[in-house]
Amino acid sequence: NAGVTQTPKFQVLKTGQSMTLQCAQDMNHNSMYWYRQDPGMGLRLIYYSASEGTTDKGEVPNGYNVSRLNKREFSLRLESAAPSQTSVYFCASSGRSDLNEQFFGPGTRLTVL
Amino acid sequence: GEDVEQSLFLSVREGDSSVINCTYTDSSSTYLYWYKQEPGAGLQLLTYIFSNMDMKQDQRLTVLLNKKDKHLSLRIADTQTGDSAIYFCAETREAAGNKLTFGGGTRVLVKP
Repeated sequence: NAGVTQTPKFQVLKTGQSMTLQCAQDMNHNSMYWYRQDPGMGLRLIYYSASEGTTDKGEVPNGYNVSRLNKREFSLRLESAAPSQTSVYFCASSGRSDLNEQFFGPGTRLTVL
Repeated sequence: GEDVEQSLFLSVREGDSSVINCTYTDSSSTYLYWYKQEPGAGLQLLTYIFSNMDMKQDQRLTVLLNKKDKHLSLRIADTQTGDSAIYFCAETREAAGNKLTFGGGTRVLVKP
């Protein structure tokens, strides 16, 4: 089992460019999450998907869109990148509704110039 | 997250015990967690405690929960250089749909 995989690992964009971050999990989990990690601020939830076909906003959704393509895949799109979106992005998944043990991907380091 | 707070940094000598502290604001937390992040990697669940417990031990790890003071701690016995990482405290609440709320993380540096 690969667990949670993310592509790409690194990306540099210019302001205004768009891109999609890909995430896939092979653990048959219902819930998937996108976070951003900034120094000293922990992880902040951008969007999540409690099950296939549903998505909801998290704490910092502005400037992002998501698609839950199927049970395995959950993508994050930046339509018009801004320097404030420079961050490390993590995808995670979980399979239980009570104990929220989340399994994380290795992250995507994004720089917006 | 503003609801969960941790100190930024902890330095400890190899072989000593480490204690990482966390405070949270919401008394309706159901589970509290400790996640570990090694350099260049995602987070990994280390341990968790249910809100009706006050202590949990798992090998070198001891979690203490003081619900009255809303204080959570993680003690690592016989700290090793491989324990150098960022440790995140997190909570879930039913009212928040069981989503995780993370603290800012404590960077632990283990010196030989």
